[in-house]
Parts: sequence; C-alpha cells; structure tokens
Amino acid sequence: DAKTTQPTSMDCAEGRAANLPCNHSTISGNEYVYWYRQIHSQGPQYIIHGLKNNETNEMASLIITEDRKSSTLILPHATLRDTAVYYCIVRSPPMDSSYKLIFGSGTRLLVRP
Amino acid sequence: EAGVAQSPRYKIIEKRQSVAFWCNPISGHATLYWYQQILGQGPKLLIQFQNNGVVDDSQLPKDRFSAERLKGVDSTLKIQPAKLEDSAVYLCASSLLTASYEQYFGPGTRLTVT
Repeated sequence: DAKTTQPTSMDCAEGRAANLPCNHSTISGNEYVYWYRQIHSQGPQYIIHGLKNNETNEMASLIITEDRKSSTLILPHATLRDTAVYYCIVRSPPMDSSYKLIFGSGTRLLVRP
Repeated sequence: EAGVAQSPRYKIIEKRQSVAFWCNPISGHATLYWYQQILGQGPKLLIQFQNNGVVDDSQLPKDRFSAERLKGVDSTLKIQPAKLEDSAVYLCASSLLTASYEQYFGPGTRLTVT
C-alpha cells in the first residue's frame, strides 16, 4: 500500500513556482522518494527521485527534509502543460524484492493562465 | 527513440466476453509491466516480467486474467471472462532492467465493460 500522503488538489499561476508537498513519515532509511506525473489521457512519466540529498534535473527540484519524513517537488516556472496528477512514491532500494512502484491517488495540479 | 506502444487504445465489450491487449516495449528493455488504473485512482501493478519470465504477479486475478511475454519482447494481457469492475485503463510500461529507476509508460488501453 502507498506510504505517502498528498493533498488532493492544488493550483498555481502560470510562470510561478509550483510546490507540491508529500508526507512520508514512516519511510525507512534505505527507501527512496520518487515523483511521477500523469497528464490527462497519458501514461505516468518519471520526474525525479532522491534518497537524502536534494536533487535537481531539467524538469524539477526535489527537497527532502533532514528527517526524511516529508518532501517537496518544485516546478520552478509552471506552464499550462504542467497540469497533471503528481504522484509521490516511496520505493524500496533496487535489489529489494519489494522494489516496485505503488501509486497512491496523487495531487491534481491545475496551472491557471 | 520510439516509446511503449499499446493497442487497441479503446475497447468496449459486454460482461462475460473476453478481451486482449497488446504491448510493445521500448527496444532493448528487459523488464515489462502491466498496470490497471481505475478511474480516480493511481495505477496498480498487475504483473511484471523480466525478459519472458514472471517476476511478480501477486496482484493479478489469475482466475480471469492472464499475461504472456513470448520471446521476451511483446506482451499480451487477456481477460476472460470480463466483469463490470474490470472497466479501467490498462497501462504497459517497460524499463531497461528490473533495477532501473525509471519506467516508461505507454498511453494505455481504456476498457469499458457493459
């Protein structure tokens, strides 16, 4: 079962930063935080993942708190095409037998013009 | 690079009929996944293949669902007989290896059972 808690929905203005929170208070020391998103009528798309340190790529930044009980996905300059459902997933390490993606219900982000 | 291909994109059947979905993963990807996504929920893993062997099918309703991946490339997912609660989007995904951090998803097949 999903080990994360996310707000059901959020909105932000186009061009502004979108900050999507995720609570994972029961995360284990070797579990990773993954983010995927799903644009309407498409399959999910990988965004970013991290273990302890903050991570940044061309799509987003991932900020993980020091106690690792929560994280925030940041889209620095949201566009209308970023409107999607965003899934925060806690995932076991690759060699673990339970290494799989377990999706919750996610956060529906609406980017307003 | 071509993405994950799925067909058909839409299918409407009556309950108790059978249906099959086809998936062609990204070339060279050893791991293939089938997910079921019911409206308003996140995807749920049904079965995972590594090459042509099953790694995880713990969530597959084996009394009516079956899947195969012959020759370790294409895969088919079959439902027989279908129930109303099988109405969902069926997503196929692939990754280079089981340990890969990124899965690539296809567009899905939307199944409606009436």
